[in-house]
Amino acid sequence: AQSVAQPEDQVNVAEGNPLTVKCTYSVSGNPYLFWYVQYPNRGLQFLLKYITGDNLVKGSYGFEAEFNKSQTSFHLKKPSALVSDSDLYFCAVRDKENGNNRLAFGKGNQVVVIP
Amino acid sequence: SAVISQKPSRDICQRGTSLTIQCQVDSQVTMMFWYRQQPGQSLTLIATANQGSEATYESGFVIDKFPISRPNLTFSTLTVSNMSPEDSSIYLCSGLGLNEKLFFGSGTQLSVL
Repeated sequence: AQSVAQPEDQVNVAEGNPLTVKCTYSVSGNPYLFWYVQYPNRGLQFLLKYITGDNLVKGSYGFEAEFNKSQTSFHLKKPSALVSDSDLYFCAVRDKENGNNRLAFGKGNQVVVIP
Repeated sequence: SAVISQKPSRDICQRGTSLTIQCQVDSQVTMMFWYRQQPGQSLTLIATANQGSEATYESGFVIDKFPISRPNLTFSTLTVSNMSPEDSSIYLCSGLGLNEKLFFGSGTQLSVL
């Protein structure tokens, strides 16, 4: 079965500094990979996805992520963090060939951007 | 992008009662899912809502406790039956779009007293 690990509970970064949120995955086949952000009292909002093609994926609000097959990672990055980026971020994976379209989520990372 | 309307947004319920959550998608989705997010936790898949047939439940979830309907492609309901305080969670409806993107409703915050 597919699974995702987000090793850190909270990521603290100073405003203007680069932000990285780590994610590693496990699937038996090839992965579809996603990042979502959860705002307070709202559902999850899609940020970006990797399906196929270029390993560097660009998404909403200046976020990007790089698919690394050898390291089974899909870290989320932003070159210059904003205070408004302080939210809860979830990495998710789906197995292309198996898993019946089910998406497995990591435990989430709280990002805190310090002014 | 699909827009998913989910209601109620929150409710406070008494132990032993049931609550039905509704989910309406504004465009076609290939699949619909229901997730639970317990306080401070990640999302756990409850079931896949199948159009016109019984939902497919994940391990640890059963139809008697979480009956699900999906009478057409764009509408689904989840009922939380015979509630206890352990059922206090956020319940999220989601739909899988044609571009492999999973869209979410805004969630239902359920508190059981």
